[in-house]
Amino acid sequence: NAGVTQTPKFQVLKTGQSMTLQCAQDMNHNSMYWYRQDPGMGLRLIYYSASEGTTDKGEVPNGYNVSRLNKREFSLRLESAAPSQTSVYFCASSDPPADTQYFGPGTRLTVL
Amino acid sequence: SQQGEEDPQALSIQEGENATMNCSYKTSINNLQWYRQNSGRGLVHLILIRSNEREKHSGRLRVTLDTSKKSSSLLITASRAADTASYFCATALWADKLIFGTGTRLQVFP
Repeated sequence: NAGVTQTPKFQVLKTGQSMTLQCAQDMNHNSMYWYRQDPGMGLRLIYYSASEGTTDKGEVPNGYNVSRLNKREFSLRLESAAPSQTSVYFCASSDPPADTQYFGPGTRLTVL
Repeated sequence: SQQGEEDPQALSIQEGENATMNCSYKTSINNLQWYRQNSGRGLVHLILIRSNEREKHSGRLRVTLDTSKKSSSLLITASRAADTASYFCATALWADKLIFGTGTRLQVFP
């Protein structure tokens, strides 16, 4: 039982490059979330998916897109990376929504 | 500004002492949760307290919630060096998402 897994663990991009962060959970949770964590800022919600087939914007959605591929997988895409997107990205899942959230280990992204 | 704000921002104590962290929030909530984050790791859920509850315990953790003051506190008793981490409160404003505070960094010295 792996919980929430994220790939990759580390990534370095150049400005303008694109990439997709992958997240998968094996707890059969309906809700999944993408956060970014910057020093001194806590976690900020980028996008979330309350259930399979739905996605909604969070606090900081600009520059990102998401896909809820199926119940297990929720991906985050940066179409044209910018230095301001340098951050640590966490995926989480929960059921019911806004109840206990289970976090992945994070992806540390640097955009040069 | 953040919905939930922790106080203090940083706390240093000796092993065996108690650590108290506070969280204030601005609007009515469904529940409030506390999470721990060890350096470089993901967040781990500690405890959830619902808006109709006033106090909850889990091992060495005690959480209180005062909805009239819109505040919560997390007490860790008999702290250990392994408790060194950042602690975050998160509030559930609506039924589908959480808002996290900026965290308290706790350092427990052996």
